[in-house]
Amino acid sequence: QKEVEQNSGPLSVPEGAIASLNCTYSDRGSQSFFWYRQYSGKSPELIMSIYSNGDKEDGRFTAQLNKASQYVSLLIRDSQPSDSATYLCAVCTTSGTYKYIFGTGTRLKVLA
Amino acid sequence: EAGVTQFPSHSVIEKGQTVTLRCDPISGHDNLYWYRRVMGKEIKFLLHFVKESKQDESGMPNNRFLAERTGGTYSTLKVQPAELEDSGVYFCASSQVSFGTEAFFGQGTRLTVV
Repeated sequence: QKEVEQNSGPLSVPEGAIASLNCTYSDRGSQSFFWYRQYSGKSPELIMSIYSNGDKEDGRFTAQLNKASQYVSLLIRDSQPSDSATYLCAVCTTSGTYKYIFGTGTRLKVLA
Repeated sequence: EAGVTQFPSHSVIEKGQTVTLRCDPISGHDNLYWYRRVMGKEIKFLLHFVKESKQDESGMPNNRFLAERTGGTYSTLKVQPAELEDSGVYFCASSQVSFGTEAFFGQGTRLTVV
C-alpha cells in the first residue's frame, strides 16, 4: 500500500462546477496535510494546509480532513480553466523524522 | 522575500559525468528537503536537513548521491557518476520548523542524463 494515494485522473469538470479531489494516507499518526498545485513544468505551489478534522475554507478552495478515515479532500468551487493542473496531496509523517510524503497527484481539467 | 531558488534550472550531462545541484532555501528556514520526480512517478523524498545536520536521508537512492549543507544555509546535491535512471526533476523545499508547517518549493532542476 502506498503511503499517500490519489487517483491520477484526469478528472474533467465543466467550468463553474465543483471539482472534488481525494487523498488517503496510511500513517495514522500523521498530523499535517497539504494540497499543492503544480502546473506543467513548474514547481509545486502550496494552496491549502489543514491540521484538524473538519473543513477549512480559503476562497474557492475547501480542504476537508477526516483522521479516523485517514482521508483528506480538496473541493474547488466555481472551477475555472486556469485551475487545470495537477493537484498533489502531501502528508507530513511522524514516523521517524518529519518528512512530507506526496501522492502521485490528480490531473484536473476544467473544460471551458 | 526571496523564495527557494535552485540552480541550474536545466542540466544535460553524459552518463558517468558528475553534476552538482544547488538549493538556496528561504532565509531563516532551518529545514531543507530534497525531492525528485521521475517522469510518470510521484515526487519522492530524498533527504531532510535541519540546519547543517542530515535528519533523514532514507530516500537517497544510493551512494552516488551526496548532499551537503555547509553552515546550514544553502545545500548541494552531487550525483557522481550519473546514470541514465537519475534523470528527472530535482526539487528543493524549505520550511521554518520541523513539524508540520508548510514547505515551500523551488522551481526544480531538470536533470537529463544521456
